[in-house]
Formats: sequence, C-alpha cells, structure tokens
Amino acid sequence: AQTVTQSQPEMSVQEAETVTLSCTYDTSENNYYLFWYKQPPSRQMILVIRQEAYKQQNATENRFSVNFQKAAKSFSLKISDSQLGDTAMYFCAFMKRPPNFGNEKLTFGTGTRLTIIP
Amino acid sequence: GAGVSQSPSNKVTEKGKDVELRCDPISGHTALYWYRQSLGQGLEFLIYFQGNSAPDKSGLPSDRFSAERTGGSVSTLTIQRTQQEDSAVYLCASSLEGLLGDSSSNTEAFFGQGTRLTVV
Repeated sequence: AQTVTQSQPEMSVQEAETVTLSCTYDTSENNYYLFWYKQPPSRQMILVIRQEAYKQQNATENRFSVNFQKAAKSFSLKISDSQLGDTAMYFCAFMKRPPNFGNEKLTFGTGTRLTIIP
Repeated sequence: GAGVSQSPSNKVTEKGKDVELRCDPISGHTALYWYRQSLGQGLEFLIYFQGNSAPDKSGLPSDRFSAERTGGSVSTLTIQRTQQEDSAVYLCASSLEGLLGDSSSNTEAFFGQGTRLTVV
C-alpha cells in the first residue's frame, strides 16, 4: 500500500513571497504519478500540477513548480509570488501507473492549510 | 453539464437512518470516483466506477456503504443505518477515460463541491 505524508498542517506567508509545501510518500512501485491539488473554501478540489515519475524534469505550471526527488521519495510544491487567491488547503496525491489503459485510485496526504497574508 | 454536481450540499440525518448522496459527473466522463474527507484528514478513497461497473470497491468502510451507477452517468452512494463516525464530506470526481488515459488531457480528475453529511 502507498502512503502520502504532509508534515506541515498549516503554513502562512506574506503576499508576493515564495512558499514551499512538503510531501513525502512511500511506495514499492517504480511507475507512478504525483499530484498537487488545491481545495479552496468552496470545497472544490482543483488540480494544480502533476509529475510523472519516469520524467526527471520537474513539472512547472506558471507560478507553481515541484521539486521531485525520486530516490528520496519527496515531492514538494513551490509557489512563487504568492497571491491572496492561493489561500487554500493543498493536498499531495499519489497514483500508481496502471499496467494497461485505465486508471488507479488517488491516495492523498492529510493536507497543508496555506494562508497568504496581505 | 459544466462541472461535477453533487446533491445535496448538506445533509443532517439522525443516527440509524439511511441516506443517499448523488453525483452527476461531467457529460461524457466514463470514470467516476467517490472519496470521503473527514475533519483534519486527507481524502479517503471509497469506490471507483468505469462506466457502470466498479472495478475497485476496496475503500468502502463497511457493508453499510454501497454505490451504484446507472447509464454510465449518475451515481448514488448509499449509507445504511448511519453512525456518527460517518459524518464527513463526501466528494465525487469524474474523468474522461480514467485518470491516466492515453492523452494527457485525460489525466485530470474533476471534483464536485461535495456533500457535507452530519449524523446526529
């Protein structure tokens, strides 16, 4: 079974600053995917960024980037130039790559509550 | 529809009663997932559908929980004889062909806003 650990229950940062959220995972799988999801107060989960484990290059999406360290099983999220709208819960998630077409379930961490201070 | 729709948004029920939670996925999405989010916890996988069949029911916590999907569209999660520990937000998600289809555009799961269930 896979586990995902987010060791920072809460974080806060001043607007425009950079913040890094930590995530570690445990798996015996070699092929898998990692995700960061954002959950604002509206409760609706939104995909922020994803990383394929077989890719060495770290994924980036505008102000969001990841630091993927496969050997260390670490997958941190960096938010640059943070904005008030970034205030939300952030969940790290793991999915093993299915052997054939189809899908697998997402395994989530317990989340980090991020507050951007004006 | 424009997004994943869940109803009701909030449900308060008495212990021992049965409840039904509904999920309307995005039109054309073949994969549908149910997750449970308890206070201070991450998302706990419950069940997944591909079309009308459920290849993975491993997350259902007890036989009081069941889910069905008809016509490859709407899904209903039923909790019988509710207990206080069932109180949580129940989230539904859908994706086009499964979270890891051949196209990168199929890898995203779209979530509804959830149903907050309170058992008193």
